[in-house]
Amino acid sequence: DAGITQSPRYKITETGRQVTLMCHQTWSHSYMFWYRQDLGHGLRLIYYSAAADITDKGEVPDGYVVSRSKTENFPLTLESATRSQTSVYFCASRGTYEQYFGPGTRLTVT
Amino acid sequence: RKEVEQDPGPFNVPEGATVAFNCTYSNSASQSFFWYRQDCRKEPKLLMSVYSSGNEDGRFTAQLNRASQYISLLIRDSKLSDSATYLCVVNPATGKLIFGQGTTLQVKP
Repeated sequence: DAGITQSPRYKITETGRQVTLMCHQTWSHSYMFWYRQDLGHGLRLIYYSAAADITDKGEVPDGYVVSRSKTENFPLTLESATRSQTSVYFCASRGTYEQYFGPGTRLTVT
Repeated sequence: RKEVEQDPGPFNVPEGATVAFNCTYSNSASQSFFWYRQDCRKEPKLLMSVYSSGNEDGRFTAQLNRASQYISLLIRDSKLSDSATYLCVVNPATGKLIFGQGTTLQVKP
């Protein structure tokens, strides 16, 4: 189906573990983004990508790594998860104008 | 000063009421503007784009004032289903959209 998907939708992990969140879009949008949203707060940009092999930091990049080898995929890796990274993570993509979000991944770090 | 500022609310209104949200932005070079809607802990969804001439979509009207760097959203005849957080979004042409913190609307029966 066309659109933007994220996996897993829910994840519980332990402190110190590496976790990768996946994001896939079928529109061939150039731009892709990763946001986190903590309970009761707004969206905060973690990383974004203007095209394959081009990535840049957002507001809160520390503790996260991204890659974009293909236009349609933009995985986000937490190298060593901490409790402060418990959050809802949204991936988004944008073509020339409007931006669309994936359904989110709820990550809990215990 | 935040790049996009919104009154967080909450705005508590009865069904059928008209409610207006305002938003200001700091970058005068911003090129395009949007309102998104976010239901509790779900992904933000595009509600409508905002054009210089103002635009309407059913019960929703969006307006842009470039001189004052101000965007508004008017909701007429509020429904219970309109309860959500409304995000003001600005494209400063840097590649990333800038999202406001959101305004919460609660429509009561």
